This record gives sequence, structure tokens and C-alpha cells, in this order.
Amino acid sequence: DIQMTQSPSSLSASVGDRLTITCRASQTISNYLNWYQQKPGKAPKLLIYAASSLQTGVPSSFSGSGSGTDFTLTISSLQPEDFATYYCQQSYSTPRTFGQGTTVEIK
Amino acid sequence: EVQLVESGGGLVQPGGSLRLSCAASGFTFRIYWMSWVRQAPGKGLEWVANIKQDGSEKNYVDSVKGRLTISRDNAKNSLYLQMNSLRAEDTAVYYCAREGLGAVAGTFGHWGQGTLVTVSP
Repeated sequence: DIQMTQSPSSLSASVGDRLTITCRASQTISNYLNWYQQKPGKAPKLLIYAASSLQTGVPSSFSGSGSGTDFTLTISSLQPEDFATYYCQQSYSTPRTFGQGTTVEIK
Repeated sequence: EVQLVESGGGLVQPGGSLRLSCAASGFTFRIYWMSWVRQAPGKGLEWVANIKQDGSEKNYVDSVKGRLTISRDNAKNSLYLQMNSLRAEDTAVYYCAREGLGAVAGTFGHWGQGTLVTVSP
């Protein structure tokens, strides 16, 4: 199984900050990497697919990059509605696996 | 509009059974792989199982093999998860999710609202 490791597990940030979350796969997954946002009590929402493609309706402040084993999610200017938990997920093989999540809290 | 609505969750004793359902609408259900993803209280996301468009291929995470069974009825636009021999560690919110097509297979673009399964004496 492919293990996905995110860092950091949590962080505190302020509105307007630039934020980067990292995801590492235990083996190469090409660009089969997706990012989700989840708010408390809600289902996850797809933000980025295929490592760098923005899902329809997602603000352009979100971007993704990477290939192979190392990936990043960047929020260029943090907004109040962006405080949430973010998960990476590999779609290279089954079982599909998620990172452990990164919780973004208000500083 | 794509809609996925789960039902069937509840409180069940260890060793018991439960059947979850997911009613799909707003898209051509029979052309998509479908998955179940779960989330234990306060924990992260865990993919549980998926099923091919015609039901001919099913995949499971190791921890549920032999106990949970995924199935679908394309005539009813419905996805199911039969849960047997339930354990405390199966306690979670269970989400139904639609996988993408082609190059974005395995990407979960649409999710239901989730249904809570609690396994406790």
C-alpha cells in the first residue's frame, strides 16, 4: 500500500498569510495526487486534482504542484473561510490512501 | 445537480450487522466507479471499498476484507455497504463518494453528507 505523509499536522496562521502544506508518497505516484478541504461536520471537498488542476469553483488562491513523491498545496492569501483541515490522497493505485490531514487554525 | 444521500447508519452491538445505502441522482450512475470512505470520530479519512460500474470488480482496504461487502444496483441508482461482524473500530461516519472518469479515476469529486455508524455494547 502507498503511504501518504503530510506535514505539518497542524499550523496556526493569520488572514492574508501565504501557506504551504506538504504531502509525500512512499513510492512514486506520478501526478495522481488530489487535495481536499474539510470543515467540521461537513463532507470533504475536492480542491485540486492531478496534482495541479484546480477543481471548478475553487478560488485561484489555491494551487498545487509536484510530481513523483513530493507535492505541495499552497494558499496564496489565507481567507477566513480557509480555516479547515486539508487532506492529500493518492489515486495511483488501490487501496486509495489519504494523508493524516493538516489542520489550519486561526492565530 | 449531483446528489449522494446516505442512509442506514445507527447504533449496533459488536458482532452485529448493518446495511448502508447511498441514493444517487443528477448523473448517470451506471458509468462511474463508486466508493465508500469513512472517518472515525476526530480522525482522518480512510478509504474503505470501491466497485466498478457493472459490479464485476470490487476492492477493499485490508481491515474490512471478509466483513464488509460493497454492492450496487444500477437500476435503482443505488450503492450499498453490507457490514457484518462489526467491531468498535468500525465506528465512523461513512461517506459515499463518486470517483472521476478516465484520467481522474480514483478522484473523489462528489461526496454524500455521511451516515454515522456506532458500534458499542
